[in-house]
Amino acid sequence: AQSVTQPDIHITVSEGASLELRCNYSYGATPYLFWYVQSPGQGLQLLLKYFSGDTLVQGIKGFEAEFKRSQSSFNLRKPSVHWSDAAEYFCAVGSNDYKLSFGAGTTVTVRA
Amino acid sequence: DTAVSQTPKYLVTQMGNDKSIKCEQNLGHDTMYWYKQDSKKFLKIMFSYNNKELIINETVPNRFSPKSPDKAHLNLHINSLELGDSAVYFCASSHRTEHYGYTFGSGTRLTVV
Repeated sequence: AQSVTQPDIHITVSEGASLELRCNYSYGATPYLFWYVQSPGQGLQLLLKYFSGDTLVQGIKGFEAEFKRSQSSFNLRKPSVHWSDAAEYFCAVGSNDYKLSFGAGTTVTVRA
Repeated sequence: DTAVSQTPKYLVTQMGNDKSIKCEQNLGHDTMYWYKQDSKKFLKIMFSYNNKELIINETVPNRFSPKSPDKAHLNLHINSLELGDSAVYFCASSHRTEHYGYTFGSGTRLTVV
């Protein structure tokens, strides 16, 4: 069965600073990987996804993620965060049975 | 023009009651899902329907019963509500062949008192 680990429960970053959120997955086959963002009181919005090909994936809102098979990782990055990036971020892995499994999430706080 | 809409947004009810949450999508997707988000924000899949056929049925108490009258609707009925059912329930939809491009609704916050 697939699983996702997000090692950082909470990250605080200054506005304008760079952000990196870690994600490690466990899945026997080629994974389908995703990052979602959840703003307070809202549903989840897809930031980006990786299926195959270029291991550096560009997403919305200036986010990117890099797939590293050797490290079973799919870390999310943003060069310069904005106060509006404060939210909960979820990494997810999809399996061949069409089930999406989520990590426990990382809360991002942005300080002025 | 909401893509995935859930009603109600908030639901407060007493233990032992029966309640339903409705979900509708206007994206033309063929697959719909129910996820439960607990107080620690952990998301766990409950059910999935593809073209009205149940394809994922996780270990969920049988007090929870999904119903899909058509591809665009997936409702969740909960019998004999318990305190532990308090959570945020998310509906989502996707094209099954489009590699999980899930679109989520904004959630229903269920509080059982």
